[in-house]
Amino acid sequence: SQKIEQNSEALNIQEGKTATLTCNYTNYSPAYLQWYRQDPGRGPVFLLLIRENEKEKRKERLKVTFDTTLKQSLFHITASQPADSATYLCALALTTNSGYALNFGKGTSLLVTP
Amino acid sequence: NAGVTQTPKFQVLKTGQSMTLQCAQDMNHNSMYWYRQDPGMGLRLIYYSASEGTTDKGEVPNGYNVSRLNKREFSLRLESAAPSQTSVYFCASSAGAIEKLFFGSGTQLSVL
Repeated sequence: SQKIEQNSEALNIQEGKTATLTCNYTNYSPAYLQWYRQDPGRGPVFLLLIRENEKEKRKERLKVTFDTTLKQSLFHITASQPADSATYLCALALTTNSGYALNFGKGTSLLVTP
Repeated sequence: NAGVTQTPKFQVLKTGQSMTLQCAQDMNHNSMYWYRQDPGMGLRLIYYSASEGTTDKGEVPNGYNVSRLNKREFSLRLESAAPSQTSVYFCASSAGAIEKLFFGSGTQLSVL
C-alpha cells in the first residue's frame, strides 16, 4: 500500500539552528511533492512544491530536496525562529480516475526555543 | 479576499442526525477537496472534485456524500452521523490537479 512517513516525534531545536524534517514514501511514483505548515486550530498553508526533475528548491530560509531514488524529501529551515514552531506536512499526488489528489503525511511537530 | 470559507465552524450532533458542511471558494479554482483530520491519523481525503460536475472518492468516503453545486461550492453531507465521524473537517481548493491547495479554517464536528 502507499505510505507517506514523517517522523512522529516532535523535533525540538534551539533558535538560530537549522531544522531538518524528513518525508519518506513507499509505492508512489510522484511527479511532485509539496510541503505545508499547520498551526494549531488552523488549516494547512502551502510552503513549497518540488517536481521530480528538481533536486532542490529554495524559498527564503526554506529549502526542500527531493530524491526519487531514495524516495525521500528533506525540508530544511535555516536560522530557525520561535515563530517557525508549527506542524509541517508533506504531501504526494495520488493518481485517480479524474486526475490527481493530494495525500498527506501525518506531519512532524517542530518546536523552536529561544 | 476570503479564499476558502467553511461553515459552520463548530457543530455538535447526536448519533443518527444528518447535516451538511458547506464550503465555498472565491478564487475561481477548478478542483475542490474534503479532508478530515484526526489525532495521530493526519489529514485523510474523503472526497474531491477535479472540476465542476465531477466527484471522486478519496481514502475514507464511507458515511459521506458530496455535491459540487457549481464551480464555487462543494458541500459534504453526513446522512446518519456516527461517533466515528467526530473530527475536524477541512475543505480545500486548487487551480488544478498539481497546484497548491488553499485550505479553509476547518469545522470541528462532535457526534455524541
